[in-house]
Amino acid sequence: DVQLVETGGGLTQPGESLTLSCEVSGFSVSGSYMSWVRQAPGKGLEWVSVIFGNGDTYYAGSVKGRFTISRDSSVSTLYLHMNSLRAEDTAVYYCVRLYCNGVFCGDAFDVWGQGTMVTVSS
Amino acid sequence: SYVLTQPPSVSVAPGQTARITCGRNNIGSKSVHWYQQKPGQAPVLVIYYNSDRPSGIPERFSGSNFGDTATLTISRVEAADEADYYCQLWDSSSGHYYVFGTGTKVTVL
Repeated sequence: DVQLVETGGGLTQPGESLTLSCEVSGFSVSGSYMSWVRQAPGKGLEWVSVIFGNGDTYYAGSVKGRFTISRDSSVSTLYLHMNSLRAEDTAVYYCVRLYCNGVFCGDAFDVWGQGTMVTVSS
Repeated sequence: SYVLTQPPSVSVAPGQTARITCGRNNIGSKSVHWYQQKPGQAPVLVIYYNSDRPSGIPERFSGSNFGDTATLTISRVEAADEADYYCQLWDSSSGHYYVFGTGTKVTVL
């Protein structure tokens, strides 16, 4: 069974750092297209970052230079390192696998974790 | 700005058909995906690559994409279909990469 479990959310102050983890099971995190998507309270979905199968990484403009996506295949885990946090980063953060059938990869988000809440407030 | 425009809300009676649109200039040239999100839950992919259904998604869900509008159609609507729905596409050319629509709340009357 494919499963994604996020941990690491919580309450933190502006300017602080936080690292989210996403442990995956049922597939290999290395070589997979993986992403983070967030949702502020009462708002819509916002893409945050992606790591492609070849290791290339991309970020939304709102987090570029502050957030870093990475993965560790030895522990089947995806990470999101978040620095210089702002109040507007407050959201539920979802770890998501991107669909790949060997021909089409990286377009659609096909498996979602349950999300972890990050609150940035003084 | 890069915006995928959806109607904020759609209301439909049980057994009827709900159509949710997603608008952007020449969206028909892109692959559009659709997600269903119920309160307190993570989104679920219901349509990918414009009109394909993942396994486990009822045939009542269908999609199309042409010109400036992509459409998610829910036939024979059931109470369980009440949720928020989001369209999404990938476009690296703009630097935005993954863009979600503004979301549509479907209410079953």
